[in-house]
Amino acid sequence: DVKVTQSSRYLVKRTGEKVFLECVQDMDHENMFWYRQDPGLGLRLIYFSYDVKMKEKGDIPEGYSVSREKKERFSLILESASTNQTSMYLCASSLSSGGSYGYEQYFGPGTRLTVT
Amino acid sequence: KQEVTQIPAALSVPEGENLVLNCSFTDSAIYNLQWFRQDPGKGLTSLLLIQSSQREQTSGRLNASLDKSSGRSTLYIAASQPGDSATYLCAVRGQGAQKLVFGQGTRLTINP
Repeated sequence: DVKVTQSSRYLVKRTGEKVFLECVQDMDHENMFWYRQDPGLGLRLIYFSYDVKMKEKGDIPEGYSVSREKKERFSLILESASTNQTSMYLCASSLSSGGSYGYEQYFGPGTRLTVT
Repeated sequence: KQEVTQIPAALSVPEGENLVLNCSFTDSAIYNLQWFRQDPGKGLTSLLLIQSSQREQTSGRLNASLDKSSGRSTLYIAASQPGDSATYLCAVRGQGAQKLVFGQGTRLTINP
């Protein structure tokens, strides 16, 4: 079974702090994704990575950065946390799709981040 | 820009009923569509993946269909159980893209 793990289930940080969210997958997937989920707004893509050290901005990258130094690990960084970044953060991974064939995305359990 | 809509936003049915959840998308140029289940406060669990060349996929009591030309998918749940209570999300992957575009979900409650 594919396993995607996230470093924390719950996190409370203060405004202005630098925050690291870690995600690890154990299935040698090329693609990894970071989403945030908010009531009424659904899931929105922040960043994704298609290979080590490669990344692309998603729909809402402002205020975030990412790091992928190893294939299995994808980190989301909040450089200076703000209250509007309070949210559920979900990490996902998948094999890289070839041509018109797509593979499933597998999600981690999520990190509920509160910024006060 | 791809938009995914799920109607209704919430559904409550008695145990044992068969039910259908709906998903529609605006751009039919998709590679695949994926249905997920999300329990409160948890991550997403993949239920079914339908490739654009397929019409349906089945897993146990779940059957998902895809009509790409009309931009619609349905998730059929047979003989519903209280354990099926959760939010169900559909998501599509557009051609040339790696990311998924999600609907807002349908919150399903199965009453014993």
